[in-house]
Amino acid sequence: EPEVTQTPSHQVTQMGQEVILRCVPISNHLYFYWYRQILGQKVEFLVSFYNNEISEKSEIFDDQFSVERPDGSNFTLKIRSTKLEDSAMYFCASSPPTGGLNEQYFGPGTRLTVT
Amino acid sequence: DAKTTQPPSMDCAEGRAANLPCNHSTISGNEYVYWYRQIHSQGPQYIIHGLKNNETNEMASLIITEDRKSSTLILPHATLRDTAVYYCIVRVYNTDKLIFGTGTRLQVFP
Repeated sequence: EPEVTQTPSHQVTQMGQEVILRCVPISNHLYFYWYRQILGQKVEFLVSFYNNEISEKSEIFDDQFSVERPDGSNFTLKIRSTKLEDSAMYFCASSPPTGGLNEQYFGPGTRLTVT
Repeated sequence: DAKTTQPPSMDCAEGRAANLPCNHSTISGNEYVYWYRQIHSQGPQYIIHGLKNNETNEMASLIITEDRKSSTLILPHATLRDTAVYYCIVRVYNTDKLIFGTGTRLQVFP
């Protein structure tokens, strides 16, 4: 069964450094998402992406964050200058071509630790 | 904020049906109810969704009351692998995002 994959599984970085989290969505999906979950807290929506542009973003997704689909298969989340409070699990998700109200399929996550 | 209320935890014996309730009294007519689960710290896993009719798939059944103010997720024969946090989510119309609450922690015991 097709799956969303994410790399790396764990990323450790120093405060102020840039990080790029990578995701490979399910191959025929066209809608892409990033969520995060700080340890012990709720899963929070960050951003949705369709047709090479952001369709919706949350207050968390400020100028330090950006997303890109550089090559038609990968979907990346970049954090320009990491802060301690960016430490969290970051989940990528994708939805089938019909999008809209379809289900979102989540990847296994990348654990980001900012020191 | 999440538009749903769920009990924080439930237990279920292995092999028995697990019935997980959810209240969504402020749901609008065009908003769907989704259920996801999260096993340990893995990515959330889609289970089922519905608008007003009851739905069933290979994982579970979703029963939505006629007034749509509440629903129940039924796992017909719970196994130890069904131990997880279960999230009931009302997806706001015309939005992409899923708003997760704190969910119900289901513990299946032998």
